[in-house]
Amino acid sequence: AQSVAQPEDQVNVAEGNPLTVKCTYSVSGNPYLFWYVQYPNRGLQFLLKYITGDNLVKGSYGFEAEFNKSQTSFHLKKPSALVSDSALYFCAVRDPRDYKLSFGAGTTVTVRA
Amino acid sequence: KAGVTQTPRYLIKTRGQQVTLSCSPISGHRSVSWYQQTPGQGLQFLFEYFSETQRNKGNFPGRFSGRQFSNSRSEMNVSTLELGDSALYLCASSYIKDSDRPNTEAFFGQGTRLTVV
Repeated sequence: AQSVAQPEDQVNVAEGNPLTVKCTYSVSGNPYLFWYVQYPNRGLQFLLKYITGDNLVKGSYGFEAEFNKSQTSFHLKKPSALVSDSALYFCAVRDPRDYKLSFGAGTTVTVRA
Repeated sequence: KAGVTQTPRYLIKTRGQQVTLSCSPISGHRSVSWYQQTPGQGLQFLFEYFSETQRNKGNFPGRFSGRQFSNSRSEMNVSTLELGDSALYLCASSYIKDSDRPNTEAFFGQGTRLTVV
């Protein structure tokens, strides 16, 4: 069975500092990996995905993520965080043989001015 | 291009009642999935439909059911509501070019907030 772990419930950073949100996954075969962001009382917004190819994936709003197969990780990064990046972030994995997304528990990011 | 539309946005129901939630996917998207989001359990997969066929189902009781119409619109139904069914129900649609390779991202609606009292 596929699964995702987000080891940090909360991440706090100062505006302008680098932001990293961690994610590790477990899936049979090559995974499809995704990051989503959720603002209060809203649905999930897609940030980026890894399907195949380059291990560094660039996405929306200046976010990027690095796929590491040996460590089964897919950490989300942003070089310089903004206060507006404060939100709930979800990592998700999809088994290529399956159609459902399995989500991590989510990480609340707070960027202080 | 219009996004995924879920109606209604908010619902209050009484225990024992049933409820139907609606989802209109992005035009051209034939895959529709449903998720339940609660503070305790997080995001949990309910089911996925593609071209009116349910391809996958999560670990939910039979009180949770769904269907997809020929225009790809989807509904989910919860019968005999329980207090624990209170949650944000999210619908997501995906463009699947090749039905055997689910490698595209899902686009989510804003959800229906269901409160059972």
